[in-house]
Amino acid sequence: KNEVEQSPQNLTAQEGEFITINCSYSVGISALHWLQQHPGGGIVSLFMLSSGKKKHGRLIATINIQEKHSSLHITASHPRDSAVYICAVVGGSQGNLIFGKGTKLSVKP
Amino acid sequence: GAVVSQHPSRVICKSGTSVKIECRSLDFQATTMFWYRQFPKQSLMLMATSNEGSKATYEQGVEKDKFLINHASLTLSTLTVTSAHPEDSSFYICSARRGGVGQPQHFGDGTRLSIL
Repeated sequence: KNEVEQSPQNLTAQEGEFITINCSYSVGISALHWLQQHPGGGIVSLFMLSSGKKKHGRLIATINIQEKHSSLHITASHPRDSAVYICAVVGGSQGNLIFGKGTKLSVKP
Repeated sequence: GAVVSQHPSRVICKSGTSVKIECRSLDFQATTMFWYRQFPKQSLMLMATSNEGSKATYEQGVEKDKFLINHASLTLSTLTVTSAHPEDSSFYICSARRGGVGQPQHFGDGTRLSIL
């Protein structure tokens, strides 16, 4: 079993839909990242959070430390949101990231 | 702020060639840099962690003599894939962090390495 599990693996949505991507982890962590990876491979960090909820534009991330679960929500989705979204937890003695396998999101116009 | 530049973005070369990948933090001092590798349809996996001025710490299964990491300054780390073979073909990406474990990591754009 992977230390970081994401669901769903693939997600297709219509423009405007509300989207949720889930992440569960089994290790102790100090924080959790939500990352966005575009087809070329480059990665952008969307959020780093260790408790509660963060919001940036149409993106919202929540984390429940007790339940070892985090969600990423996208409101009013748009085709430009199409990407792979990766959950990564900060673990290890040097704070390296442990990654989920990613969720491939396609938003259709 | 917090821009990380990784170069080159793509390399195609013959088997046996050594390839150097650079990772630079452009507007901050990176006390720690991480090197990750991603095979097709797989998760990103940590290869090694490097702290400025120290030897890199390699993950189990990563050959330190094959993947040479140098972190000579607070803004530059290099990964050299020595005598590359087709099985080394992968997507390599670095990240940089200023400060301790609680600080965010900032990613380069990655290097797609193809060994013929």
